[in-house]
Amino acid sequence: AQSVTQLDSHVSVSEGTPVLLRCNYSSSYSPSLFWYVQHPNKGLQLLLKYTSAATLVKGINGFEAEFKKSETSFHLTKPSAHMSDAAEYFCVVTPRGYNKLIFGAGTRLAVHP
Amino acid sequence: ETGVTQSPTHLIKTRGQQVTLRCSSQSGHNTVSWYQQALGQGPQFIFQYYREEENGRGNFPPRFSGLQFPNYSSELNVNALELDDSALYLCASRIQTGEDTDTQYFGPGTRLTVL
Repeated sequence: AQSVTQLDSHVSVSEGTPVLLRCNYSSSYSPSLFWYVQHPNKGLQLLLKYTSAATLVKGINGFEAEFKKSETSFHLTKPSAHMSDAAEYFCVVTPRGYNKLIFGAGTRLAVHP
Repeated sequence: ETGVTQSPTHLIKTRGQQVTLRCSSQSGHNTVSWYQQALGQGPQFIFQYYREEENGRGNFPPRFSGLQFPNYSSELNVNALELDDSALYLCASRIQTGEDTDTQYFGPGTRLTVL
């Protein structure tokens, strides 16, 4: 069975400080992993994806994530938070070749001045 | 912004009614999926359509049904609405073959409220 656990429901940081959003996954098959962001009253925007190439994946807006198979983790990081980063972030897994995306419960990121 | 569009943006229905939500895929995408996102939760997979046929379904009852048209646009129909059907409904499109088949591109969603 496949599942995703986002370890923090809420994360609060100050502008200019690093961001870490944690995600652990469970998959019986070689997975593809994604991070999506959802701003208020908006749809989901793809931040980055891992599909078995380099384990360190760079995405949009300065975000990156590292795939660690031994730890079954795919944590999202950014060196310096901006106010515009405040949003809901979803870690997503899909076993390669399957139809559906399996979402975590989400992490709400708040960025304070 | 992706090229996926959805209509309407918002909808209010009463319990027992039926609703149809519409989605237009991103250009070149032949596969459409629908997701339900209840308040405060992550999206849940409803079903996927490819070549006008359903080819994957999540844990949703048969009163959730869909269609895909030759131009790859899609509809989600929900019959006998229940209060718990209140949610944001998201449509996502992708290509079925070739590179990047795992990546789904989402529309802005339709907010359904059932009273």
